[in-house]
Amino acid sequence: KNEVEQSPQNLTAQEGEFITINCSYSVGISALHWLQQHPGGGIVSLFMLSSGKKKHGRLIATINIQEKHSSLHITASHPRDSAVYICAVRFLPNSNSGYALNFGKGTSLLVTP
Amino acid sequence: KAGVTQTPRYLIKTRGQQVTLSCSPISGHRSVSWYQQTPGQGLQFLFEYFSETQRNKGNFPGRFSGRQFSNSRSEMNVSTLELGDSALYLCASSLVSELFNSPLHFGNGTRLTVT
Repeated sequence: KNEVEQSPQNLTAQEGEFITINCSYSVGISALHWLQQHPGGGIVSLFMLSSGKKKHGRLIATINIQEKHSSLHITASHPRDSAVYICAVRFLPNSNSGYALNFGKGTSLLVTP
Repeated sequence: KAGVTQTPRYLIKTRGQQVTLSCSPISGHRSVSWYQQTPGQGLQFLFEYFSETQRNKGNFPGRFSGRQFSNSRSEMNVSTLELGDSALYLCASSLVSELFNSPLHFGNGTRLTVT
């Protein structure tokens, strides 16, 4: 079964700390998404990447295709970053998951003042 | 530009009933996909519609169905509701079919409670 694993499951940080959330997957992918979900339930797409690195403000996402691993970094964390961060991958068409997104269980981040 | 709109936001139904949820995509987006989120299983893909055709379907029973209209608005229907169908149902829209890895735009979801 094609799998997506995230770590850590829960993370508490103090305001200003550098945060890293990890995502690993079992087989080749065509794309990986990082999503943010606030307590209200709505999801915001942060990044979609298939190689290299992307940056948006204080957020950085990297992916290593050979190692089947991606990281989401938050620099100078702030209480408003508190949310659940979800990794989702689209496995290659020759996998047994079709092309649907497969989701990790999420990382619950709490940033305290 | 208006975002993805899901209605209703909250819904309470009893076992055995059926329910219809609605999703209006961002203007110009032709793909709508649906997801179920529960505490136990997390997010799971239900199906994707593109140009009024179902393009992909997740591993859910036939009680879960959907359709897409010519204006790209989509509805999903769950018949013969079970307690386990209680979940947050999210839809996402994109310009092209998800097969081509277009960025996704999610709605705020419909929270369904089955009693």
